Amino acid sequence: EPEVTQTPSHQVTQMGQEVILRCVPISNHLYFYWYRQILGQKVEFLVSFYNNEISEKSEIFDDQFSVERPDGSNFTLKIRSTKLEDSAMYFCASLDWTLDEQYFGPGTRLTVT
Amino acid sequence: AQSVTQLGSHVSVSEGALVLLRCNYSSSVPPYLFWYVQYPNQGLQLLLKYTSAATLVKGINDFEAEFKKSETSFHLTKPSAHMSDAAEYFCAVSSNDYKLSFGAGTTVTVRA
Repeated sequence: EPEVTQTPSHQVTQMGQEVILRCVPISNHLYFYWYRQILGQKVEFLVSFYNNEISEKSEIFDDQFSVERPDGSNFTLKIRSTKLEDSAMYFCASLDWTLDEQYFGPGTRLTVT
Repeated sequence: AQSVTQLGSHVSVSEGALVLLRCNYSSSVPPYLFWYVQYPNQGLQLLLKYTSAATLVKGINDFEAEFKKSETSFHLTKPSAHMSDAAEYFCAVSSNDYKLSFGAGTTVTVRA
């Protein structure tokens, strides 16, 4: 069964450093998403991406964040200068629009020290 | 804007007992509603969804949910809890671009 994969599973970085979180969505899906979950809080939408451009972004997704689909398979989330409050679990998802179902990856736990 | 509210952050049930997790939604358009489960250290797995077809929706692992427009609710039930049902459960609503808005989650513990 096809699945969404994410790397790394855990990333530790120092405040102010850049991080890139990587996702490989399911191959025939066209809509992609990033969500995050701060420890003990709800899962929050960050950004949606379709046809090589952002279709919607939340207030959280400020100028420090960017997304890219650099090739036909990867979908990346970059945080330019990490802050302590960026520590969270980041989930990638891709959408099967024929079923209206989003498939989530296992997440990347980002720890900013 | 769409949103969901999950009543009860923690539910404890005995093995074999009914599981009932409550979710109320707010939506300006006919909603699509979902329940996801998150096992420890894992991602989110879809349990079931409502997309304007049958109001009683059956999902995996004997879970089901009923869409009640008059009550703006989409409560999740399972007739008989199993130890493996211990997890966190999230209700979510989606908008026209399929973006999901999640509730705060309900942690289920199952007592032997």
